Amino acid sequence: GEDVEQSLFLSVREGDSSVINCTYTDSSSTYLYWYKQEPGAGLQLLTYIFSNMDMKQDQRLTVLLNKKDKHLSLRIADTQTGDSAIYFCAGLNSGNTPLVFGKGTRLSVIA
Amino acid sequence: ETGVTQTPRHLVMGMTNKKSLKCEQHLGHNAMYWYKQSAKKPLELMFVYNFKEQTENNSVPSRFSPECPNSSHLFLHLHTLQPEDSALYLCASSQVGEVFYGYTFGSGTRLTVV
Repeated sequence: GEDVEQSLFLSVREGDSSVINCTYTDSSSTYLYWYKQEPGAGLQLLTYIFSNMDMKQDQRLTVLLNKKDKHLSLRIADTQTGDSAIYFCAGLNSGNTPLVFGKGTRLSVIA
Repeated sequence: ETGVTQTPRHLVMGMTNKKSLKCEQHLGHNAMYWYKQSAKKPLELMFVYNFKEQTENNSVPSRFSPECPNSSHLFLHLHTLQPEDSALYLCASSQVGEVFYGYTFGSGTRLTVV
């Protein structure tokens, strides 16, 4: 089955860029997602990318996918204090099996 | 109400109590999920319901009992829980066959077993 790995912590200064990395094992993953969890809340879908794409940009968010290395990253430009949260990477294959999540990366933004 | 609503937001129960968690989705989705989120552990999938039929039970102890009476409602019945069951329980829904948007999550129920 799918296994998703993420580093647990990242600390950046306000205004800098943040890069959160994720590796996955299932090469048949068709859809890859980034979710954000703020304190006391559920998971909110931030962005997604299909496996036939290498990059996707959505305002301050840039997703990069390296299928050869099974590596996914999320870049947040001009990071703000409101971006402080836990970010989860998740993968889904075309068989509609349930999403598999990583442990999440806790992003701390220092003012 | 829109999205996925979970009640209660917080629950404290003794090990001999029986309680239920409720989830309701207003998105017209046809699949619903229970996840458990514990400190320092990945999100653990507990149960999946597609079109009201349970399609996955990931070796969850029998003290957790799900119920899906219709495609909009999902319950998790709890009885004789252990302190290690204390966690955030998240409900999610999706439209099977349209995975483009992933899952929509509720805000969760924070459960404390004393």
